[in-house]
Order: sequence, then structure tokens, then C-alpha cells
Amino acid sequence: EVWLVESGGGLVKPGGSLRLSCAASGFTFSDLWMSWVRQAPGKGLEWVGRIKRKIDGETTDYAAPVKGRFTVSRDDSKNTLYLQMNSLKTEDTAVYFCATGDINAFTMWGQGTMVTVSS
Amino acid sequence: HSALTQPASVSGSPGQSITMSCTGTSSDVGAYNYVSWYQQHPGKAPKVMIYDVNNRPSGTSNRFSGSKSGNTASLTISGLQAEDDADYYCCSYTSGSTVVFGGGTKLTVL
Repeated sequence: EVWLVESGGGLVKPGGSLRLSCAASGFTFSDLWMSWVRQAPGKGLEWVGRIKRKIDGETTDYAAPVKGRFTVSRDDSKNTLYLQMNSLKTEDTAVYFCATGDINAFTMWGQGTMVTVSS
Repeated sequence: HSALTQPASVSGSPGQSITMSCTGTSSDVGAYNYVSWYQQHPGKAPKVMIYDVNNRPSGTSNRFSGSKSGNTASLTISGLQAEDDADYYCCSYTSGSTVVFGGGTKLTVL
């Protein structure tokens, strides 16, 4: 069975940090580019960032609002994707989804994990 | 890159066809054939319905079709059904190696 499961969400104060994880199963994780997409309460989808697969250099790209504060990484030995979030702002409050793919389509999605940034 | 522009809402009756638009720029929608469309029901994860402008993933109904002209992409749903009632988001790769979504369109099946 193919699945993605995010974890690590919660309540954090502005300026704080949080690390999200996305565990994958049922497919060859190392073969795929992986991305994070978020959705603020009642709002639309927003791409956060991606990491390419190892053979493509494992390079990362980020959306402007999170560049310099968020870091996407992966551990192919654990089939896990990470999102390290630093200097969190109230506007980062959202459900964070991990997803496979990127450029042409996000083909598989996790169920999401909620991050609330509030004092 | 600013969000792609989608109408806030569209509606149609069962059996009818609807088309929703997604307008970008020459740096995203107009530059690449990497436009995808996602369906999202309340409280659920998005699901890809169309990729690469006009391709359907296996298992997706052929009632869904996509197209593009210049900087505007479109999603057409024919033979509307009650389960099509959902939010729809377009998405495009950009010249900055990033990805941008549209603001979303709420489809109401009357």
C-alpha cells in the first residue's frame, strides 16, 4: 500500500522552530522529487519547497516567503522527508502536506499536519 | 511569482459541463506545459486530476479535461456529478524553478 504520513505539527510561539517529518511507504522513495505544500485555514494551496532526488543533486528550492527560514531535507535510508522551520511567523500557520513529484504534478499527498504559530 | 488567477466560484447542474480558467503569465503558465489541476474536498488532501496541461492520471474520469492557450489554462468537467462539488486548484511550474498555485475555484453542483 502506498502512503505518506506527516508528523511533528503543533503549537509554537512566533520566532520558534519546528521540524516536520513525512514517512513514505509503498514506493521507491529515493526515485522521486519530494515537496511540501501548505494551506492556511480557509485559504488556498501554497507551494513551500522541494528537494530533488540524489541523482539530480538533491538540490532544494523554496518559495519566497520561506526562503532562508525553512529547510527541506531527506533521508532515503529511512524513506523520510523533513521540513525544518525556523523563525516561525504567525502567517506560517497552516496545514502542511508532503507530496511526491513537483514540476509536472504532485501525484501523491499525505493527510497533512497542522502547524499553529501563536503567542 | 504571484498566485495564478482563478474565478472564486463556478456552478452547474448535474449533467451539464463547466469550464474554469487559470490565468498566469509568460513566466509560468505561458512558458511551460507543466500545468496541473487538483480537486480538494473539505478536510481532505488534494488529488491530481490533470497534469502536463491535458493528461489524466490513470483512474481519473475522462469527464475531466484540460487545455491551455497562451497564459491561460482551463479545466473542463463534462457530465457534472454531485461528487464533483469541491475546490479546484491550478498549478504551474515557473521560470524561477518554483511552483505556483491558483487561488482556487469553488465548484458548486446545483
